[in-house]
Amino acid sequence: QVQLVESGGDLVKPGGSLRLSCAASGFTFSDYYMSWIRQAPGKGLEWVSFISSSGSTVYYADSVKGRFTMSRDNSKNSLYLQMNSLRAEDTAVYYCGRSSSWTYFFDYWGQGTLVTVSS
Amino acid sequence: DIQMTQSPSSLSASVGDRVTITCRASQGIRNDLGWYQQKPGKAPKRLIFAASSLQSGVPSRFSGSGSGTDFTLTISSLQPEDFATYYCLQHSSYPLTFGGGTKVEIK
Repeated sequence: QVQLVESGGDLVKPGGSLRLSCAASGFTFSDYYMSWIRQAPGKGLEWVSFISSSGSTVYYADSVKGRFTMSRDNSKNSLYLQMNSLRAEDTAVYYCGRSSSWTYFFDYWGQGTLVTVSS
Repeated sequence: DIQMTQSPSSLSASVGDRVTITCRASQGIRNDLGWYQQKPGKAPKRLIFAASSLQSGVPSRFSGSGSGTDFTLTISSLQPEDFATYYCLQHSSYPLTFGGGTKVEIK
């Protein structure tokens, strides 16, 4: 069955860095686009970034552009989000979500990993 | 950027009620819209894709309609397990944008 498992969330100080991972299983990872979506405590959902199946195309929300870098390793069935220059407003649960041109967006989500940015 | 205006932001309803939630896009998005249900402490779950296609395994009391700028999620007969928060998502263009959410509470 399809599984997406995020990891790497932690408490980090403002200005610090963190790397999130999303391990995929149960499907051919290299066939699918992937995204990161976040949810601040008590708030709604916010799309963060997208990567194409090959990794050649990446898009970011303006709120993270220049600070976050999304990548993937299809040989390891893994997705990554390198988060630099973290701010208090980046505090959120981060989800990875799967998409494709035939399944559309976010038919499967991971369980999420919590990032807390605080001094 | 395409703004998604979702209404209402919350509603109270009883088991068996018909519930309607709407999303309006700031510009036309064809049928590039999905609806998601989220329960506290859980990841969102997709209910509807392509504006009106029911996700496999989702009960038929959920339905979606609309195209262009105006979209609707309808729950024909609200069940106890449907009390949750619902979000729309447009994926017509980047940045992808979610509606603000509708919290469905027990009356």
